[in-house]
Amino acid sequence: AAGVIQSPRHLIKEKRETATLKCYPIPRHDTVYWYQQGPGQDPQFLISFYEKMQSDKGSIPDRFSAQQFSDYHSELNMSSLELGDSALYFCASSLDQGPNFYGYTFGSGTRLTVV
Amino acid sequence: DQQVKQNSPSLSVQEGRISILNCDYTNSMFDYFLWYKKYPAEGPTFLISISSIKDKNEDGRFTVFLNKSAKHLSLHIVPSQPGDSAVYFCAAKSGGRDDKIIFGKGTRLHILP
Repeated sequence: AAGVIQSPRHLIKEKRETATLKCYPIPRHDTVYWYQQGPGQDPQFLISFYEKMQSDKGSIPDRFSAQQFSDYHSELNMSSLELGDSALYFCASSLDQGPNFYGYTFGSGTRLTVV
Repeated sequence: DQQVKQNSPSLSVQEGRISILNCDYTNSMFDYFLWYKKYPAEGPTFLISISSIKDKNEDGRFTVFLNKSAKHLSLHIVPSQPGDSAVYFCAAKSGGRDDKIIFGKGTRLHILP
């Protein structure tokens, strides 16, 4: 079965550079979520999209932006990178948060290292 | 403020015995609770969930218990197997259509041979 695909798996950037992370949700899933997990931390919610519209926003810095495209893939754009942005970035997708909600399906994550 | 708390960063259990992972929450609006399992270099994988209208949900070796009055839930794994060694995240959400899942910090479970 198709899973959530994230690219790249690993990314090394210098301070003040820009990074773009991509997420391809499970086909027909209508909601995409982005989470950031720092070393030894729990995954922190950044932002979500439902049907290509931003649906919720968490602790996402103003330097970050995201969007969901017509094919439902999503991109997280990160500018003016700081050392503290080094983390694992997870994308997840889901469908139907009604009675049949079974949680999100996560991708394997993108490990961003800012040097 | 941590809305979902897993107070044990790690837990070691003998193979074949029962593993019990605990989780507390503070937000009384949460009405759906989930456990995720995470191996290194992989994303979290959904394990089991429970709605707030229930107090127990069982799926094979995994059982989740919910005590709403105590705002506490636990995941029982019995019997524990070597492949269960992973980080387990407790998570919760409220009932809104797009409400995001809030995660705890995770508990690393080591199954000892």
